[in-house]
Amino acid sequence: QKEVEQDPGPLSVPEGAIVSLNCTYSNSAFQYFMWYRQYSRKGPELLMYTYSSGNKEDGRFTAQVDKSSKYISLFIRDSQPSDSATYLCATLNTNAGKSTFGDGTTLTVKP
Amino acid sequence: GAVVSQHPSWVICKSGTSVKIECRSLDFQATTMFWYRQFPKQSLMLMATSNEGSKATYEQGVEKDKFLINHASLTLSTLTVTSAHPEDSSFYICSARFMVGGTQETQYFGPGTRLLVL
Repeated sequence: QKEVEQDPGPLSVPEGAIVSLNCTYSNSAFQYFMWYRQYSRKGPELLMYTYSSGNKEDGRFTAQVDKSSKYISLFIRDSQPSDSATYLCATLNTNAGKSTFGDGTTLTVKP
Repeated sequence: GAVVSQHPSWVICKSGTSVKIECRSLDFQATTMFWYRQFPKQSLMLMATSNEGSKATYEQGVEKDKFLINHASLTLSTLTVTSAHPEDSSFYICSARFMVGGTQETQYFGPGTRLLVL
């Protein structure tokens, strides 16, 4: 079993829809949680990071962490075609020294 | 703006040659730098973890003699693919971790280097 599980999709939504991207993790030692967006042929771009349970909002993006159920989510409001990309969740255990990534969810927002 | 830069962004070389990729953290000193490899439509694969002034820690299955990592300073790490072969063709991405606000850590990626070995 992978330490971080992410539904690969693909996920296709119409423009303006609310998108929900989700990951589960198994190691309770993970302390930090990140979401990255990766466009084709580009390096991943950090969207959000958080270290506690609860919600963190940045513009149209909201990251949600529930440590009790080991569940992390990224919500995208008013989705745009430019949001079409692969989204990677990641967790970090600083004691172990490295991040663990989900396999990514491919999102397509249709105009 | 970008916090991690990579150079070159793409390179084409003949089989048997060595290729060096530079990774720099901009405006901050990275606690740790990482090198990843990514094949088309696949997830990131961690190759090695690098700390300034010490030997890199390689993941299982990654040949340390083939993928030489030098972490010369807190802002620069280099990956050298020695005697490259066509199967080494891939997208190589570096990443840097640093402290935010003195207590939290996060990780940024470079734009990646696309290597094609003919």
